Amino acid sequence: GQNIDQPTEMTATEGAIVQINCTYQTSGFNGLFWYQQHAGEAPTFLSYNVLDGLEEKGRFSSFLSRSKGYSYLLLKELQMKDSASYLCAVFDSNYQLIWGAGTKLIIKP
Amino acid sequence: TAGITQAPTSQILAAGRSMTLRCTQDMRHNAMYWYRQDLGLGLRLIHYSNTAGTTGKGEVPDGYSVSRANTDDFPLTLASAVPSQTSVYFCASSGDAGEVNEQFFGPGTRLTVL
Repeated sequence: GQNIDQPTEMTATEGAIVQINCTYQTSGFNGLFWYQQHAGEAPTFLSYNVLDGLEEKGRFSSFLSRSKGYSYLLLKELQMKDSASYLCAVFDSNYQLIWGAGTKLIIKP
Repeated sequence: TAGITQAPTSQILAAGRSMTLRCTQDMRHNAMYWYRQDLGLGLRLIHYSNTAGTTGKGEVPDGYSVSRANTDDFPLTLASAVPSQTSVYFCASSGDAGEVNEQFFGPGTRLTVL
């Protein structure tokens, strides 16, 4: 079966750095997405990785290792507005998007 | 630009009743999707449409039907609602199926079936 694992919840301090991990087992791989979802709102796109390595976009970076079936989202200089759920999703061989359950990130002052 | 709109925002429905959730996009995207999101389970695909006139079943299609008469609209119908269909429903769209494209989401419909 297809499976995406993320921690259910993480807590971090304002101004700090946090890394949210995602491991996946899917039938084929055509790219990995990270989305942000604030409570009561729709998911919004953060990043996309298809090749191994680090993609940096401002305070957010995303890393991919295809051989390990592993990705992480790195958030720097945390702000209170970063409190949200972060969803990892993988495009499988059929170009279907398989979603993880999401990681709820709580930022404390 | 509105992007994707959904209606209603929320609804309480008696079990056994039917209901149609509406979804409209103005981005001229070919592919559209319906997901349900339940606590601890993440987003699960109900039905999808790769282009106008075609639809397909996702991971959890039972109890739901869809139609795609044109590019913009993709309504989801519950023929006879059951309490297990209580969930938040998101409609999404993307450029072309079979390619890697970002999905854009509507604001969601919160449905409670009693």
